[in-house]
Amino acid sequence: RKEVEQDPGPFNVPEGATVAFNCTYSNSASQSFFWYRQDCRKEPKLLMSVYSSGNEDGRFTAQLNRASQYISLLIRDSKLSDSATYLCVAERINDMRFGAGTRLTVKP
Amino acid sequence: NAGVTQTPKFRILKIGQSMTLQCTQDMNHNYMYWYRQDPGMGLKLIYYSVGAGITDKGEVPNGYNVSRSTTEDFPLRLELAAPSQTSVYFCASRPGTGGPGELFFGEGSRLTVL
Repeated sequence: RKEVEQDPGPFNVPEGATVAFNCTYSNSASQSFFWYRQDCRKEPKLLMSVYSSGNEDGRFTAQLNRASQYISLLIRDSKLSDSATYLCVAERINDMRFGAGTRLTVKP
Repeated sequence: NAGVTQTPKFRILKIGQSMTLQCTQDMNHNYMYWYRQDPGMGLKLIYYSVGAGITDKGEVPNGYNVSRSTTEDFPLRLELAAPSQTSVYFCASRPGTGGPGELFFGEGSRLTVL
């Protein structure tokens, strides 16, 4: 079983739609969690950290449920520029493990 | 600051050849990582280092070796290249644990083994 699992998608949504991505992690010792964004053939870049109380950054909302070992990312009012692959990341003591990513395409 | 610099950006190897992927960072980060990303897949951790002189295996270390003689440099060595090592390799760094957790990535090295 992969340590971090995501729905690979792809998600194809129209502009303005709301879309949610889910992620589960298997290592209960994981301490911190993040969402990264990766554009085609580019390096991943941090989108946002995920806090237990839930956190928001503009149109993006991240949630963490430690009991269920579940992380989510909600994107509201999708823009064309949101088209990318979204990677869920779990931090262990010294290293960070990535999910396989969920591909999002936002269409006009 | 240049951030994380990887060389080469592209390389084609023949089966059985050896090579070293170079990674250097100028941010004085203690933690450095090597990941590989196969087409359509996520990143898999090969090796990581929490400081000069300290390295540890990640998820997929077989066929690779690393060293960390300085804070700045973290080269990845492929001893006997195999087609299964065709991938994009990313080097990353961060200050340490307990902070924001952001990984700073290099632009990647695209390796093809034929």
